[in-house]
Amino acid sequence: DGGITQSPKYLFRKEGQNVTLSCEQNLNHDAMYWYRQDPGQGLRLIYYSQIVNDFQKGDIAEGYSVSREKKESFPLTVTSAQKNPTAFYLCASSISATGFQFFGPGTRLTVL
Amino acid sequence: AQSVTQPDIHITVSEGASLELRCNYSYGATPYLFWYVQSPGQGLQLLLKYFSGDTLVQGIKGFEAEFKRSQSSFNLRKPSVHWSDAAEYFCAVGGLMDSSYKLIFGSGTRLLVRP
Repeated sequence: DGGITQSPKYLFRKEGQNVTLSCEQNLNHDAMYWYRQDPGQGLRLIYYSQIVNDFQKGDIAEGYSVSREKKESFPLTVTSAQKNPTAFYLCASSISATGFQFFGPGTRLTVL
Repeated sequence: AQSVTQPDIHITVSEGASLELRCNYSYGATPYLFWYVQSPGQGLQLLLKYFSGDTLVQGIKGFEAEFKRSQSSFNLRKPSVHWSDAAEYFCAVGGLMDSSYKLIFGSGTRLLVRP
């Protein structure tokens, strides 16, 4: 079955620790995205990558970092510089930059 | 600036009743338009999309949406709601923004279904 895998589903970390969220897709999509979702708000774009070894900042990139070393993988690191990291994080991919985006199941990060 | 507005935070309908969820957008050209649905704690699933052509688009689960350029709207409709339709619905606009193609999402409408 083709799709997007995000792991883990729930993640707890202490304040001040960096944490990496995994996103893997086997859809052979070129473009991948990370969004943050907070209650009562829509999705906000953190980072996106249209091709391997290239990525761009989205609207709320401060305190986050990404890498795109392989086509199928786009991990997101939430650093200690992110002031309010507790949120639901969604990874998405699309066959091209203008295609519709297919979403993973999400990771809920709670920083204690 | 580009934006998407979903004016209804919550909507409650009775099972079997019709449904219309509103979406208005601000974008300088004709955008790509999407409706997604999200069940609690889950990712988003695409219901339907508009790229060009017929302004009435059909989606999955019996949903449809109509693009009205003059009103900058893309409202989602369903003639008869089922209890399983209870979820959060997001409208999104896609287009060139800051020299890159991006999606902008509305803040969502939570649908509650009365038995």
